[in-house]
Order: sequence, then C-alpha cells, then structure tokens
Amino acid sequence: DTAVSQTPKYLVTQMGNDKSIKCEQNLGHDTMYWYKQDSKKFLKIMFSYNNKELIINETVPNRFSPKSPDKAHLNLHINSLELGDSAVYFCASSQDPQPNTGELFFGEGSRLTVL
Amino acid sequence: DQQVKQNSPSLSVQEGRISILNCDYTNSMFDYFLWYKKYPAEGPTFLISISSIKDKNEDGRFTVFLNKSAKHLSLHIVPSQPGDSAVYFCAASSRGGSQGNLIFGKGTKLSVKP
Repeated sequence: DTAVSQTPKYLVTQMGNDKSIKCEQNLGHDTMYWYKQDSKKFLKIMFSYNNKELIINETVPNRFSPKSPDKAHLNLHINSLELGDSAVYFCASSQDPQPNTGELFFGEGSRLTVL
Repeated sequence: DQQVKQNSPSLSVQEGRISILNCDYTNSMFDYFLWYKKYPAEGPTFLISISSIKDKNEDGRFTVFLNKSAKHLSLHIVPSQPGDSAVYFCAASSRGGSQGNLIFGKGTKLSVKP
C-alpha cells in the first residue's frame, strides 16, 4: 500500500499548456509538501500545507498553484508551462509541520517534460 | 548560493568496506540534519538524522557524525552492501526557519561493488 502516491509519474506536454499533478497520502499526516528537483539535481521546497492551510510558499511563479481539498491531498496545478518547468516534482508528507522531529515521506516523483 | 554542499557527486566502494559520505553546510542556524537515500525512479526515503546537540548518532550499519565547528557531517556505512547503492542526500533545517523547509544537497551517488 503506497504511503504517498502521486500521478502522473511522467508527463510530456507543450509550452503554454496547463497541467496538474495529484498527490495523496494515506499516512494520516497533517502536513504535505511539494518539492522540485531541477536539472542540477537540487531538491527545493515549493509549498507546504498544514491541515489544508498554506504555511510555506517559497519564491515560485504565480503560474504554480497548489490546492489542498483535504489534508490527505495536495495537488499542484501549473499554468502556461515553460521550458524551465521541466523537472521532477516530489510530493511529501510529515506528521509534524517542522520535520525537525521527524522525517518527510516522499512520493515517487512526477517527471514533467515541457517541449 | 548552496547552503548544503555534497562535493563528491559519486563514490565507489567494495562490498564489506566502509562508505563515507560527506556533507558541508554554511548556515550556522542549522540545528537538525538528515540523510535521505534515493533509488532510481523512487522518492527519497529517510535514513538517519542528528540534532545539533549531538555529535554522533548510530542506527545499525549507519552512523552520522556531526562536527559543528567545521560545519561538516558525514554518513558512515559499515559494512557496505550492494543494496546500499543509491543516491544519498544530505539535508538541513533550523527550528527558527520556515516550517518544513529542508535544504538539500545535490546528492552523492554511492556504488557498492560485489
């Protein structure tokens, strides 16, 4: 039973399109995150939600909009896709908003390729 | 500006020997450090962590050492096994920082040869 699952795993699309990546966790965690791993392999946080409320919003273009319908789901919608959006996007969850006392549980990643 | 640096992109070790993965950080506010392991086509999985009040934490074959004065930590795997072959990410955070904001290094790819 997958703890953090995200779909789709692979997404190839044209510049200018709008796409969504869905994430669900069945761990009962209160906090969910979106991380981006770019071509330089850095994993950087984009957003963090605690109990459906946004608690972190790093410097991310407005074209990226997270939506959390409930605390088990955090979806990522991207408008007007650009070439630089090509990356692997990881969803994650944790019990504590501050993972200082625990760890993040990551999904398998969604590889987005913008042509 | 990289706050967490893993200067070795790859490391090759013989099975049964020790693997030492290194990580340096620049932000003196970091007070919690974690290591994650990542297999291809999978998400990172938590391996071991250490708080800044400690200088060593051990869990089975894995030991993390923290040298605060040098702003350096290392992960030791003894004995190394072929199944340990993966990319290892070092991550750091500060309690005073943004909640959930782990800063990751670029990773070191470990290959353990049978």
